[in-house]
Amino acid sequence: DAGVIQSPRHEVTEMGQEVTLRCKPISGHDYLFWYRQTMMRGLELLIYFNNNVPIDDSGMPEDRFSAKMPNASFSTLKIQPSEPRDSAVYFCASSPLPGSLANEQFFGPGTRLTVL
Amino acid sequence: QQQVKQSPQSLIVQKGGIPIINCAYENTAFDYFPWYQQFPGKGPALLIAIRPDVSEKKEGRFTISFNKSAKQFSLHIMDSQPGDSATYFCAAMSNTGKLIFGQGTTLQVKP
Repeated sequence: DAGVIQSPRHEVTEMGQEVTLRCKPISGHDYLFWYRQTMMRGLELLIYFNNNVPIDDSGMPEDRFSAKMPNASFSTLKIQPSEPRDSAVYFCASSPLPGSLANEQFFGPGTRLTVL
Repeated sequence: QQQVKQSPQSLIVQKGGIPIINCAYENTAFDYFPWYQQFPGKGPALLIAIRPDVSEKKEGRFTISFNKSAKQFSLHIMDSQPGDSATYFCAAMSNTGKLIFGQGTTLQVKP
């Protein structure tokens, strides 16, 4: 398996533009997580899905952020409109079944977002 | 109650030294405590994990010590190598499947 795939790897945009980050989880994993990493706030969970259904979006900073998972092999995180304070590395992770012993989360390589 | 507090923020040791990173939590519902390792430009990767029914777990040069009554756990790296230089995150999870990460410790192992 290729692991968790994220695209793009780098994104530079201007304030006010829409940004869409994409993630393909590991096949067979039921859970998908979106994280944001910054120097100031560390690794923050934004939202996670179970079987394509959003379970907890309490970490989504504000209405400008939205996430979807239309099927088991694809998820998007959208920021509209983007602001400079959204600059961060965004990680997607997937996991087979957190409630069991096999609850390792596998992280993608991340998308480095810069909003000018 | 959802926080995991990690210290120190950064650590420098000589090759062969034993760096120790400490974490503390409040929520007694947490029942899974992993450590993740992150190299620059990469996503975090699971290094070792422990459940609260054991006090210690060892995998190779990495050991987790767990103190349930104190709600603390720590990572020890034996015979540290320059290749161990990375950022280490402790984390905690309850049965919701949600991982709460510590702030991270940047480790530098000098040759």
